[in-house]
Amino acid sequence: KAGVTQTPRYLIKTRGQQVTLSCSPISGHRSVSWYQQTPGQGLQFLFEYFSETQRNKGNFPGRFSGRQFSNSRSEMNVSTLELGDSALYLCASKGTHYGYTFGSGTRLTVV
Amino acid sequence: AQKVTQAQTEISVVEKEDVTLDCVYETRDTTYYLFWYKQPPSGELVFLIRRNSFDEQNEISGRYSWNFQKSTSSFNFTITASQVVDSAVYFCALRGGLQTGANNLFFGTGTRLTVIP
Repeated sequence: KAGVTQTPRYLIKTRGQQVTLSCSPISGHRSVSWYQQTPGQGLQFLFEYFSETQRNKGNFPGRFSGRQFSNSRSEMNVSTLELGDSALYLCASKGTHYGYTFGSGTRLTVV
Repeated sequence: AQKVTQAQTEISVVEKEDVTLDCVYETRDTTYYLFWYKQPPSGELVFLIRRNSFDEQNEISGRYSWNFQKSTSSFNFTITASQVVDSAVYFCALRGGLQTGANNLFFGTGTRLTVIP
């Protein structure tokens, strides 16, 4: 079956702009989580969505938001971009068991 | 609080050597799950193994083996007869949350493994 698809793979934005990243989970998976990976902070949990509802949220400012659609696809949005938002953003899809399958990520560069 | 410590930042070995990656975790949950992921240069996190806190049986999968010891809160990963393709960053992760509600993955800082041909 198809894996987790994240688009776009690479993105360059300017400070102050906003950005939307997309994640399509494995078919049938209803849980989508987002993680930010930076050299300084490592892998940090952003939020999790399950059946269109945010179920859990990490310790990030309100500029980071997300949503999930009825087909389980998820988007995350970052508003008023800062240089420190440059990171690899990874999406994870989870089914009924406790395994997480990750996508290839979106590498965001803020200039 | 949930915490995962991977004390080894970087390890270099010569091809065919065995290598063990250490992982120590902290959690107040009595039911939790431990994971290992591999991250090649492409960036994707590749799932290697998941263990639950009630199953301390060691596992072997080909050249990979895992040693889970609750008494020392460790979940170490050994690669036998390493190969160049094993070069990557390896992450240990913890998912607890049934008692604390923190049901997301907490990652260690990763160990960069370089296998020299």
